[in-house]
Amino acid sequence: EVQLVQPGTEVKKSGESLRISCEGSGYDFTKYWITWVRQVPGKGLEWMGRVNPATSYVNYGPSFQGHVTISTDTSMSTVYLQWSSLTASDTAMYYCATHRDYGGHDAFDFWGQGTVVTVSS
Amino acid sequence: DIPMAQSPSSLSASVGDRVTMTCRASQNIINFLSWYQQRPGKAPRLLIYAASSLQGGVPSRFSGSGSGTDFTLTIDSLQPEDFATYYCQQSYTAPFTFGPGTKVLIK
Repeated sequence: EVQLVQPGTEVKKSGESLRISCEGSGYDFTKYWITWVRQVPGKGLEWMGRVNPATSYVNYGPSFQGHVTISTDTSMSTVYLQWSSLTASDTAMYYCATHRDYGGHDAFDFWGQGTVVTVSS
Repeated sequence: DIPMAQSPSSLSASVGDRVTMTCRASQNIINFLSWYQQRPGKAPRLLIYAASSLQGGVPSRFSGSGSGTDFTLTIDSLQPEDFATYYCQQSYTAPFTFGPGTKVLIK
């Protein structure tokens, strides 16, 4: 069974750095892209970017390019989302999901439970 | 970017009702569209991909249709567990934008 495991919560202060993880199990970790999605409290879903664990190639959404870094460690079957300097506007739930090709159509089919990131000023 | 719009933003319905919601892309995305359900406090769940293909394990009361710029998600005979927010998302090109969602409320 495909599973993506994320830490539950992170509490940080503005200006601090943070790296959150997404560990995959139950499948060949290098087979599927992993995507990150942000959800600000009470708001909708925003696609942040994706990584191909087999090649480490990353696409970023334009709103997130330069503000976050997505990386992968295939030896740990883990993908990371990282900030070098958090701001209060980064307070949100962050989900990872497998980003798979269904006959030429991308879809996000297995999701982690999400990590709540709270940034205080 | 391809902005996505959804309507209505919310709707009230009763158990057993047939519910329809729409999604509109700002340009032709052929049928590169997925639908997700998000229950309160839970991660999103893939319902439909390629506009009309039902994801495995999803009840057959869910169906999707449309092509080009206009798409529809229909829920036949609404069940208590279907009260949730539904998002469409285009997979035609990165960034893979979501619509703002339609919240299905209990009447």
